[in-house]
Amino acid sequence: AQSVAQPEDQVNVAEGNPLTVKCTYSVSGNPYLFWYVQYPNRGLQFLLKYITGDNLVKGSYGFEAEFNKSQTSFHLKKPSALVSDSALYFCAVRDGSGGSYIPTFGRGTSLIVHP
Amino acid sequence: DGGITQSPKYLFRKEGQNVTLSCEQNLNHDAMYWYRQDPGQGLRLIYYSQIVNDFQKGDIAEGYSVSREKKESFPLTVTSAQKNPTAFYLCATRRELGNTEAFFGQGTRLTVV
Repeated sequence: AQSVAQPEDQVNVAEGNPLTVKCTYSVSGNPYLFWYVQYPNRGLQFLLKYITGDNLVKGSYGFEAEFNKSQTSFHLKKPSALVSDSALYFCAVRDGSGGSYIPTFGRGTSLIVHP
Repeated sequence: DGGITQSPKYLFRKEGQNVTLSCEQNLNHDAMYWYRQDPGQGLRLIYYSQIVNDFQKGDIAEGYSVSREKKESFPLTVTSAQKNPTAFYLCATRRELGNTEAFFGQGTRLTVV
């Protein structure tokens, strides 16, 4: 079985400050991890993924995420938040060890960046 | 987005009606998925298909049906048996080979009137 937890329903940050959106996961095999962003009434857009290799993954729009195997976490980060980053963020996991090819999504975290 | 077209963008259904949501893709992806999104509940998988003429139930398939007669198309029918169909529906595709991410359509917002 695989699961994802996004412990925060909402994250508030001031523009220019660093932001972190948290994600923890559970899989029986190797984790394939993804972050997506959703703007109101739109589909999800892919931001970045971790499959293997360097634990720090860089993605679109200046976002990055750090894979931590011991803590089973994959937190999304950005050094300096923009008001335009305000959106709903989803973490997803898939078992890469020949298990399910279906990703499981978290419940989403609403990021609000204040001017 | 990027080769996945969902239509219509907004759909209104009367009680007891069946409605069909369209999802078409030109990405040549093998796998297609339907998700339902409700506020605070994230994305829940309704049905998925990894190959033409084959599909599998997801976590919340009751009251829904699908077909996959062509690689490009994966329509979702919301039947009258679905008691609470008001939601935002998202279609996604993924290239089966490789460690690839999913691509999503723009969604259809279904409202029961």
